[in-house]
Amino acid sequence: DSGVTQTPKHLITATGQRVTLRCSPRSGDLSVYWYQQSLDQGLQFLIHYYNGEERAKGNILERFSAQQFPDLHSELNLSSLELGDSALYFCASSAGTSDSTDTQYFGPGTRLTVL
Amino acid sequence: GENVGLHLPTLSVQEGDNSIINCAYSNSASDYFIWYKQESGKGPQFIIDIRSNMDKRQGQRVTVLLNKTVKHLSLQIAATQPGDSAVYFCAENRGAGSYQLTFGKGTKLSVIP
Repeated sequence: DSGVTQTPKHLITATGQRVTLRCSPRSGDLSVYWYQQSLDQGLQFLIHYYNGEERAKGNILERFSAQQFPDLHSELNLSSLELGDSALYFCASSAGTSDSTDTQYFGPGTRLTVL
Repeated sequence: GENVGLHLPTLSVQEGDNSIINCAYSNSASDYFIWYKQESGKGPQFIIDIRSNMDKRQGQRVTVLLNKTVKHLSLQIAATQPGDSAVYFCAENRGAGSYQLTFGKGTKLSVIP
């Protein structure tokens, strides 16, 4: 158990809908990262938040957004869903030191299925 | 055409043998490398990491080797056990203050009892 929790574990929805994925980082970690894992693209970095502020964006679509709240939990919002958004979404957290060699610990993921 | 799924390299080893999983990385500026293990239905699990100023690092039953000249990373697992069966990913942090990890495609390790 990494200490990172994600809800829900599974999510099934229809095209055009909007969903919210939730992540609680390990106790004391200030950084939260979101990754998407699909069969054809592998694990792709989406976005990084540190102590409530966005720090970096990766291959994140404009239909997707995220935020990190004062209690450090994070939410990933996916809107206007398409079939191709079906994937595993992982949250990871790290201590958030200034050293970029900050180990990221992953949660169990949310499996999103868009029908 | 579009890929319908990742073709993962597969390594099959006999229980008790040593396993070596290789990874080529792309960015010579990367300064931090990590190996993750992912079991079916679970998130990636941290195994071992290495900074770019090191060539070798050992953990419990695992060793990571880094060859910066040819941009190659390897993970050695000693006395491989059935519980080691999983997909193994290497990841690199591209430095310059970035916390973003770039993952390789993964290698599936199957341990034959």
